[in-house]
Amino acid sequence: TQLLEQSPQFLSIQEGENLTVYCNSSSVFSSLQWYRQEPGEGPVLLVTVVTGGEVKKLKRLTFQFGDARKDSSLHITAAQPGDTGLYLCAGEGWDNDMRFGAGTRLTVKP
Amino acid sequence: KAGVTQTPRYLIKTRGQQVTLSCSPISGHRSVSWYQQTPGQGLQFLFEYFSETQRNKGNFPGRFSGRQFSNSRSEMNVSTLELGDSALYLCASSLRQGGTYEQYFGPGTRLTVT
Repeated sequence: TQLLEQSPQFLSIQEGENLTVYCNSSSVFSSLQWYRQEPGEGPVLLVTVVTGGEVKKLKRLTFQFGDARKDSSLHITAAQPGDTGLYLCAGEGWDNDMRFGAGTRLTVKP
Repeated sequence: KAGVTQTPRYLIKTRGQQVTLSCSPISGHRSVSWYQQTPGQGLQFLFEYFSETQRNKGNFPGRFSGRQFSNSRSEMNVSTLELGDSALYLCASSLRQGGTYEQYFGPGTRLTVT
């Protein structure tokens, strides 16, 4: 059982569309990170959110941390083929453990 | 600044053998964590080392062990390999300071057990 549930598991969209992926948990986290992983490579850190209700923007990517620090979302505007990859969320528990979700596999078709 | 390096990148072993994987963290990073990634289970935390001491341990059998050296380089060892140990093994380094825990991953070692 995953401590962090990510949805959807798979997402295939056309270039230019918008999308949102979700990361939910029943646990409270001291911080939450989003990573993107491409085939044959390790995950690359995109953002860290720390404060409940926090919103961070990274160009076309918008990250939100839930008020209760149990969930997060990643919104991509005008998706491009270069956004294709596995998006992982990871939560740091109060015991300093880091737990990952299973990921959302995004494919953006040109 | 050089990123996290892992060696070897690919490895094929047979059941019953043992294997040692190596990880060199980003210069100045004192925390090294190891993860196992499989299609079915996703990223599973193995253990974290900080200043040569194991700080946290995931839910893996004792066949999985690790260590960290004074220069922060880390190794993990898997003994008596099983087919189910086939996976991508990822190492991540972190400064482990302040209020956040940002990890930087290496490219991984792809282990195939036959």
